Amino acid sequence: DAMVIQNPRYQVTQFGKPVTLSCSQTLNHNVMYWYQQKSSQAPKLLFHYYDKDFNNEADTPDNFQSRRPNTSFCFLDIRSPGLGDAAMYLCATSRDRTGGRHEQYFGPGTRLTVT
Amino acid sequence: AQKVTQAQTEISVVEKEDVTLDCVYETRDTTYYLFWYKQPPSGELVFLIRRNSFDEQNEISGRYSWNFQKSTSSFNFTITASQVVDSAVYFCALSEVNPNSGNTPLVFGKGTRLSVIA
Repeated sequence: DAMVIQNPRYQVTQFGKPVTLSCSQTLNHNVMYWYQQKSSQAPKLLFHYYDKDFNNEADTPDNFQSRRPNTSFCFLDIRSPGLGDAAMYLCATSRDRTGGRHEQYFGPGTRLTVT
Repeated sequence: AQKVTQAQTEISVVEKEDVTLDCVYETRDTTYYLFWYKQPPSGELVFLIRRNSFDEQNEISGRYSWNFQKSTSSFNFTITASQVVDSAVYFCALSEVNPNSGNTPLVFGKGTRLSVIA
């Protein structure tokens, strides 16, 4: 029944050591999103893919990159994690991106710790 | 610019009490969508409802009900006869319709943490 799957659920990395978080979906949705959610804060959109078209939010640091090799999978790469990047990272999908007509389905998140 | 305000940071109620979570939004667009999501301790955001700006009818789904009032730019959420399983953080969110790209990101409020005590 799992629709949006994130692995791993918990990730520990060292300061400056590259880390990759993964997301997969069984919904065949066109759009995949990555959000960062820090403790007691709202999710913040980092970027999204509309099919293969990558869309970066203006204030997303260059340290964050993403890849979408196919419809089902999307990866979040953090090139040099800093202590401030410790957060929950949420992946979401939606059937289309037409201005909110389609709700987003979220995965369980990956909680990243940076030591 | 769009903005969502959830003034209640935390609410505690005793089981079986009714509770209303407030959401006030700001937008310059006439066409937009409003959402409520639930985030239980497990972490994932669970979609509860989507409402477009042209549909002001209130909605009821089981113990949940939503009151959308454009005149006050509010989209409040009421849980009737609350249960311990309702304990979670609840987020209200807004998405405008961009006529050029069709895409605007979801803008979330800061969330309201609801604790239901047995």
